[in-house]
Amino acid sequence: AQSVAQPEDQVNVAEGNPLTVKCTYSVSGNPYLFWYVQYPNRGLQFLLKYITGDNLVKGSYGFEAEFNKSQTSFHLKKPSALVSDSALYFCAVREIPPGRDDKIIFGKGTRLHILP
Amino acid sequence: EAGVVQSPRYKIIEKKQPVAFWCNPISGHNTLYWYLQNLGQGPELLIRYENEEAVDDSQLPKDRFSAERLKGVDSTLKIQPAELGDSAVYLCASSPARLAGLDTQYFGPGTRLTVL
Repeated sequence: AQSVAQPEDQVNVAEGNPLTVKCTYSVSGNPYLFWYVQYPNRGLQFLLKYITGDNLVKGSYGFEAEFNKSQTSFHLKKPSALVSDSALYFCAVREIPPGRDDKIIFGKGTRLHILP
Repeated sequence: EAGVVQSPRYKIIEKKQPVAFWCNPISGHNTLYWYLQNLGQGPELLIRYENEEAVDDSQLPKDRFSAERLKGVDSTLKIQPAELGDSAVYLCASSPARLAGLDTQYFGPGTRLTVL
């Protein structure tokens, strides 16, 4: 069965500095990997996903994530943090190809706090 | 394009009372998901529909929870009777064609349920 871990409950970064939110995963086959962001009192919003191809995936709002198969990681990154990036970030994984019974598993979330 | 619509946004009930949540997915999206999100946790799948068929309800507490998706569009999730531990945010999401790999999920704002 697949699993995903976000080892940090909270990450604090000064505005303008680069940020990294960590995610590691476990699947028996090849993974689909996702990042979602959740702002207060709102549903999750899709940021980016990795299916295949280039290990560096670019997404919304200037975010990118790097797929590292040997380390089973999919860390979310941004070169220069904005205060408006403060939110709850979720990593998610599922196996490919999609089957009838598999599902996306979400991590517990990492709260990103950008300090002005 | 309209997003996923959920109602109500907030619901407060006393334990043992029934409650229902409604979801209208994005037009044309075949796959619909109901998730439970506890405070400080990631979403956990309750049930997934492919059109009108419930294809994954393994995590749905069937003694008190029920769901339906008539005509493969709108969906309703019901709890009867509600318990204190049901207090959480109930998220609905939809995706275009999951089994074709087009399974980026689009989330509604959620319904925050408080059981007193």
